[in-house]
Formats: sequence, C-alpha cells, structure tokens
Amino acid sequence: KQEVTQIPAALSVPEGENLVLNCSFTDSAIYNLQWFRQDPGKGLTSLLLIQSSQREQTSGRLNASLDKSSGRSTLYIAASQPGDSATYLCAVLGATGRRALTFGSGTRLQVQP
Amino acid sequence: SAVISQKPSRDICQRGTSLTIQCQVDSQVTMMFWYRQQPGQSLTLIATANQGSEATYESGFVIDKFPISRPNLTFSTLTVSNMSPEDSSIYLCGGGLENTEAFFGQGTRLTVV
Repeated sequence: KQEVTQIPAALSVPEGENLVLNCSFTDSAIYNLQWFRQDPGKGLTSLLLIQSSQREQTSGRLNASLDKSSGRSTLYIAASQPGDSATYLCAVLGATGRRALTFGSGTRLQVQP
Repeated sequence: SAVISQKPSRDICQRGTSLTIQCQVDSQVTMMFWYRQQPGQSLTLIATANQGSEATYESGFVIDKFPISRPNLTFSTLTVSNMSPEDSSIYLCGGGLENTEAFFGQGTRLTVV
C-alpha cells in the first residue's frame, strides 16, 4: 500500500527566504505526483504536476523535482512571501491498484513579514 | 483546467439524518473521487466514483454509510447516511482525466450535532 510522507510537518520562515519542502513515497510505480496548496478552511489548489517520466516542473517561483526511483520529490519556493502561508500537500497517482491520489500529511508553512 | 463546484459548502445536521453532497465538473472527466479531511488531518480517500457502475470503496468505508452515484462524466453525489458527530469533517470531491492534473472542489464542511 502506497504511503506518502512529508517533512517537515510545519515550517516558519522570514519573508524572502528560499525554502524546500520534502515528500517521499514508498511505491515507485506511479503515474504522476502533484503538489497542492490548501488555505485554512478551503479546498485544494493545484500547483504543479510532474509526470513519472519527468524530472522537474516550474511555475513562477515554484519548482518541483521528482526522483521516482528513490521515491522522493521536493518543492522549492523561491523568495517566499507572506501570501505563501498555507498547507502544502503532495499526492501521488499510483500506476497499480486504485485510480486515485494518495496524499501526504502536509507541511504547514508560515512566512513571517 | 477543470472547475469543480461542490454543494453545499457547509451544513449543520442533526444526528441520525442524511446529507447528500453534489459535485459538478465543468468538463468531462474520467476520474472522480471523494475524500474526507478531519480537522488538522490530511485527505483520506472514501471511494472512487465510477460512471455507470458501483463506486470502489476504501477499507473502512461502506456503501450503506456513504452511497455514491455517478450518472455521467461530469456529476457525482456522496450521501453521508445516518450521521453521527464522528462524521463531522470536510468532504472533498476531486476529478481529472486519466494521468493528468487532478482538481478539487472547495469542500463541504459538515457538522453533526
């Protein structure tokens, strides 16, 4: 059974810092990995999707990498801003078994002004 | 990208009653799924909604408690039956095309009193 772990669980940084969020998964048989953002009391906003054949994806100040063989992904946020404060979730879509995402427990990020 | 509308956004219900949550996608999707998110927790898959056939439930979730319908490629419902306070949670509908970006609705915040 796929398990997804995110480290750290919480992170507080001053504005302007570059930061890295980590995600690991136990079963490398995946179709893709997706990073989401969730604001308190809200739904999920998709940030980046990396297909299993890709190594990284970039969108603005966000860069996500994927090392499928080692079961790891990182989300890099450059020049963090207070508006980046949210919970970040990674999720994998398995290539075997159920056709749904398995989520990590999230990293709660606070960017201090 | 798909837009998913979920109704109601929140509700307070009496124990023993049932609530049906609707999920409407603005384009056809092959995958639709329902998740539960308890306070401070990550997302737990309830079931994948299969068009024209019974939903596929995860361990710990049963059809009698969480009946799901999916009459076409853009619509699904989840019913939370015979509710108890333990069912108080956020319920999220998600969907997407095969192996592509998944999207989620804004969630339904359910409180059972």
